[in-house]
Amino acid sequence: DVKVTQSSRYLVKRTGEKVFLECVQDMDHENMFWYRQDPGLGLRLIYFSYDVKMKEKGDIPEGYSVSREKKERFSLILESASTNQTSMYLCASSLSWGGNSNYGYTFGSGTRLTVV
Amino acid sequence: AQTVTQSQPEMSVQEAETVTLSCTYDTSESNYYLFWYKQPPSRQMILVIRQEAYKQQNATENRFSVNFQKAAKSFSLKISDSQLGDTAMYFCAFMNGANSKLTFGKGITLSVRP
Repeated sequence: DVKVTQSSRYLVKRTGEKVFLECVQDMDHENMFWYRQDPGLGLRLIYFSYDVKMKEKGDIPEGYSVSREKKERFSLILESASTNQTSMYLCASSLSWGGNSNYGYTFGSGTRLTVV
Repeated sequence: AQTVTQSQPEMSVQEAETVTLSCTYDTSESNYYLFWYKQPPSRQMILVIRQEAYKQQNATENRFSVNFQKAAKSFSLKISDSQLGDTAMYFCAFMNGANSKLTFGKGITLSVRP
């Protein structure tokens, strides 16, 4: 069964810590995405990547960075965690632009991050 | 930029009845795709149904169907014969055919009552 795996289901970090959220997909997808999900706000795109070592800012990139050294792995980095980054983080992947990518994304099961 | 609006935050339906979840969107694009995703308490996002904008025929997947009104930019989801397992958050989403980025609505929480 193909899947997107997020390394942690729950995470608690302290303010100011550097936080890494890891995401791995086994579907050989070119595109990978990081969203954050907050009540009443839906899912908002933080960063995405359409190839190894490539990254593009989404709608809310401030306070975040990403790394994609291998095709299957896309990491979200909180350089200095703050309490307003407490949220659910969802990773997703899809095939390359156009064509089959229009069949939507495959999502991980989310990481609920609490920053105290 | 595209926007997706789900104006109802919550709905409730009796088991075995039919419920319709509304969604509107705004875009100047002609090539796009629309989706409904389901997120149960397990948090796993599951694709429910997909509609291509260039197709006039409404998509159907078993008990799930859409009413796609392109001129009105409306994309509602109808769930027939509601089941307890349909209890979840439902998100409407828009994909620009040119760049394949998904834009989501704020979601609606659906509760199915036994």
